[in-house]
Amino acid sequence: NAGVTQTPKFQVLKTGQSMTLQCAQDMNHEYMSWYRQDPGMGLRLIHYSVGAGITDQGEVPNGYNVSRSTTEDFPLRLLSAAPSQTSVYFCASRPLSGGFYNEQFFGPGTRLTVL
Amino acid sequence: DAKTTQPPSMDCAEGRAANLPCNHSTISGNEYVYWYRQIHSQGPQYIIHGLKNNETNEMASLIITEDRKSSTLILPHATLRDTAVYYCIVRSQTSGSRLTFGEGTQLTVNP
Repeated sequence: NAGVTQTPKFQVLKTGQSMTLQCAQDMNHEYMSWYRQDPGMGLRLIHYSVGAGITDQGEVPNGYNVSRSTTEDFPLRLLSAAPSQTSVYFCASRPLSGGFYNEQFFGPGTRLTVL
Repeated sequence: DAKTTQPPSMDCAEGRAANLPCNHSTISGNEYVYWYRQIHSQGPQYIIHGLKNNETNEMASLIITEDRKSSTLILPHATLRDTAVYYCIVRSQTSGSRLTFGEGTQLTVNP
């Protein structure tokens, strides 16, 4: 299994540009989520999904859109990038079956800089 | 979810046990204690979790006090590859799959 994969690893955008961060997992996990990590602030939840066609907002959803058309993929879209969205973005997944305490598996991250 | 307090940094000699403390004095009865770590520039990695009994796996041991207001993560024989930020997280079933990461403890294992 490849686990959780994220592309690209690095990205530089100009203010106002749009882009999509890709996340895929091959473990058939129902739950997937996006976090952003900023210096001194730990990880903050952006959006999450408990299955195909179901998404919900986390702590810091503004400026981001998500969709979940398949179990494997959970892309994160920035419609109009702002410098405040400069961050490291992590995608994570876990199975829902077996209980809520299942460990989450994280991808390697995408480092985004918005100029 | 209960708030956790961890020291910002700790040092440990290679081969020795690393004991990382976490205070969670407002923890409620249905909240679990989780530990994750993040090696520089990588995604967080699950280590262990527990409710009230001590737990051990191939990576670490988790000791939870009887009143559950604090816990300690023990890496029995720390190696240089254990240098990372360690996060103590408290969560319950009502928080769903949400993981709220705080500042964590930067553990540096020295040769």
